[in-house]
Amino acid sequence: DTEVTQTPKHLVMGMTNKKSLKCEQHMGHRAMYWYKQKAKKPPELMFVYSYEKLSINESVPSRFSPECPNSSLLNLHLHALQPEDSALYLCASSQDAGRGTDTQYFGPGTRLTVL
Amino acid sequence: DQQVKQNSPSLSVQEGRISILNCDYTNSMFDYFLWYKKYPAEGPTFLISISSIKDKNEDGRFTVFLNKSAKHLSLHIVPSQPGDSAVYFCAASGITSYDKVIFGPGTSLSVIP
Repeated sequence: DTEVTQTPKHLVMGMTNKKSLKCEQHMGHRAMYWYKQKAKKPPELMFVYSYEKLSINESVPSRFSPECPNSSLLNLHLHALQPEDSALYLCASSQDAGRGTDTQYFGPGTRLTVL
Repeated sequence: DQQVKQNSPSLSVQEGRISILNCDYTNSMFDYFLWYKKYPAEGPTFLISISSIKDKNEDGRFTVFLNKSAKHLSLHIVPSQPGDSAVYFCAASGITSYDKVIFGPGTSLSVIP
């Protein structure tokens, strides 16, 4: 199983809502990532979890809150988002985050629209 | 400042011909390079990679060439097929702890039947 799954596929939320994005992988990978991708732009790294510990925080606004309940699951909690946060949110996993050579496998993404 | 550049935002190629996608990087600490392919409404899919100890890596119709002195790499697709139409991202990383993968802006390839 080389699949990373993400739910939901689409999400529309108001600026006062609280929602969560979910990501799951069963490849035994110990590193998981959240990326944000705006239209016609490359993916931008938001968070890295390595062995269930947050190892890189890219100074992402606190309205985005990652959570890694276990090595297979990664959540992104959303609260008080702004319309400019509308984007495709991609989850990825790799064998390890300690080596740059580890290929990242991406999920299909969640298309988020903030009204 | 973009560390990974793909100067052609789009490319059109006839089916059966060769597609050449180019990528330049500025950070000499990068020593591992990847190409990802992305269809609309899907996440990027890993295609092929190359480490700096090599100058060529081949996988079926896909070949990546690396010119370290020029800080340039290219992806060759031969022969191109309509199903290859997608956005191709060049990405780079270093082989030290916690180096993140830096993506280029992408090149949209259209293979015309």
